Amino acid sequence: GAVVSQHPSRVICKSGTSVKIECRSLDFQATTMFWYRQFPKKSLMLMATSNEGSKATYEQGVEKDKFLINHASLTLSTLTVTSAHPEDSSFYICSARGKAGLYEQYFGPGTRLTVT
Amino acid sequence: QQQVKQSPQSLIVQKGGISIINCAYENTAFDYFPWYQQFPGKGPALLIAIRPDVSEKKEGRFTISFNKSAKQFSLHIMDSQPGDSATYFCAASTKNTDKLIFGTGTRLQVFP
Repeated sequence: GAVVSQHPSRVICKSGTSVKIECRSLDFQATTMFWYRQFPKKSLMLMATSNEGSKATYEQGVEKDKFLINHASLTLSTLTVTSAHPEDSSFYICSARGKAGLYEQYFGPGTRLTVT
Repeated sequence: QQQVKQSPQSLIVQKGGISIINCAYENTAFDYFPWYQQFPGKGPALLIAIRPDVSEKKEGRFTISFNKSAKQFSLHIMDSQPGDSATYFCAASTKNTDKLIFGTGTRLQVFP
């Protein structure tokens, strides 16, 4: 149980284009989903927290107009990187948590974004 | 105060040995301490977690030791295997926030 998927696993896009990454909880309903960014050999950096049906809460320094997050259902959240630039190239990972009050977060396999 | 300090940065252990990774925190409101294992190019996987009302939790070869007064917790991997070679992250969170605060990670290499 507690499986989280991400799609795509890898994406290459040209500078100036937008890219959408999907995060799905496959066998549980996720009231809260989280989006992280990870640079090579570094720890995970939380970008934003989203609750189903609500606007995402972004961490300080994360541009909400650049990283659009939608959590339209209890099993799906999307991250759209708008007008991507090479500096947006990174490993993006989502996680999902079930009912409020539960602590466990289950992570997706990550999406490698390369902006050329 | 929100930081979680993790050490060592890297660790080399011989097969069959014990791997020990340590974390320390300042925020006494933290009440959930998970450990995650991450292989290259993959997302982190929850290994084991502990709440502060117990001093130790064991699951198979993995044990968390928790010292509330010292504000430290550690992961012990017994009988380390080459397949355990990965990066390990400790983390902490509180019931008042959804956020996991991650340590900086430890790259473990287990040699046969």
